[in-house]
Formats: sequence, C-alpha cells, structure tokens
Amino acid sequence: NAGVMQNPRHLVRRRGQEARLRCSPMKGHSHVYWYRQLPEEGLKFMVYLQKENIIDESGMPKERFSAEFPKEGPSILRIQQVVRGDSAAYFCASSLTGTSVRDTGELFFGEGSRLTVL
Amino acid sequence: GQQLNQSPQSMFIQEGEDVSMNCTSSSIFNTWLWYKQDPGEGPVLLIALYKAGELTSNGRLTAQFGITRKDSFLNISASIPSDVGIYFCAGLTGANSKLTFGKGITLSVRP
Repeated sequence: NAGVMQNPRHLVRRRGQEARLRCSPMKGHSHVYWYRQLPEEGLKFMVYLQKENIIDESGMPKERFSAEFPKEGPSILRIQQVVRGDSAAYFCASSLTGTSVRDTGELFFGEGSRLTVL
Repeated sequence: GQQLNQSPQSMFIQEGEDVSMNCTSSSIFNTWLWYKQDPGEGPVLLIALYKAGELTSNGRLTAQFGITRKDSFLNISASIPSDVGIYFCAGLTGANSKLTFGKGITLSVRP
C-alpha cells in the first residue's frame, strides 16, 4: 500500500513563475492537508481539503496561493508569481477521516516538495 | 495564535544515554503528538496522546500528556545512532484536524 506520494520532490522556479505541487493521498484516504516548512522551523498548516471541497484554508496566504482536490486525480497546491520567500518544503498529509487525527493520531505525511525560488 | 515551544534547538548525547525533550504551550491542547523527521523526509508519527496525564510507550520511547494539557515530554532511552533526527511535538484542539507544530529539536547521537 503506497504512502502519500508527492511530486516533484524538488522544484526550482524563477521569481514570477508558477509552481504546481502535486499530492496523491494514501489509498482510501479522502482528507488531504498541506503544510509548509521553512528552514529550521516547524510545519505550519496551510489548508485542509476533502474531495472537491476546501474545509479549512485559514493558513493559506490570501494571494497567489490556491489548492484543490478534484474528484479524480491528485491534490494540487498552486503558487502563482512566486517570490523568494516562497522557498520552503511543502508537505502533504492524508488521513482516513476528518476526525481520525484527533481519534487515532493517524496523519500520514509525504516526503515533501522542496521549492527553491531564484 | 497558538504556539508550541521546544527548547533547546539542538541536543547532543552519547550513544546509550537517555534523553528527555519537553514541549510547552500557553494554550490547552486536547491531543499531543510527537513526530520524528529525518533529513529530506516527511515527519513520521512516534506517539500520540489523548488524555491529560496519559503515559504511553513505544519501544524505547515514552511520552506523557501533561495534567494541565499545556505540556508534554518525550523520553528516549538507551539512544542509538539511528535516533538522530528532528523531533517535533504537535498539538490538536477541538474537533479539527489542524496540527500546530513546535519548531523541533535536532538530536545528535555520538557513537
């Protein structure tokens, strides 16, 4: 049973370009979360999605960032017009249900996508 | 906003030693989680705690959920080289699944 799959693992973009990060959750999981990790920092929550719905986007910057989790296909985190401050590791995590993290602690992280903005 | 405090930022121990890491907050959390992150990898769950006062073990790891629900500690006994990594505490409040993470403690184990 494959874990959470993220790609690309590494992405280099110039300022002003767009970055698209993809996440396929664990099989059977319909809840996806995106976190951002700056160097020497902990992970910061960005957005929580369930299939086709954004449940909580309180951690998403108001501009340039968007996320989707379509009925078919992976979840996408999209960053438009990237700036140097967007350089970070972006982690996707998935859970079986919306309450399973609270009830069982089960939140499985991918290996991350490392974005470098030149 | 809610914050979890972990210090020191780095710890250096000798192989075979025990080590204890603390995590504190000014806010109450209903669930505490401890994760380990290896370089270039995502965090992996070590221990989850659900009730104030709860003490839980997982092999050489022991963690406790503080009575006040504002702190937790993680103990690693008889450390080995593969214990090297970054240890994060994380907390949950309410019914949401949005984790708040500490900044992590980088553990180095000298052979």
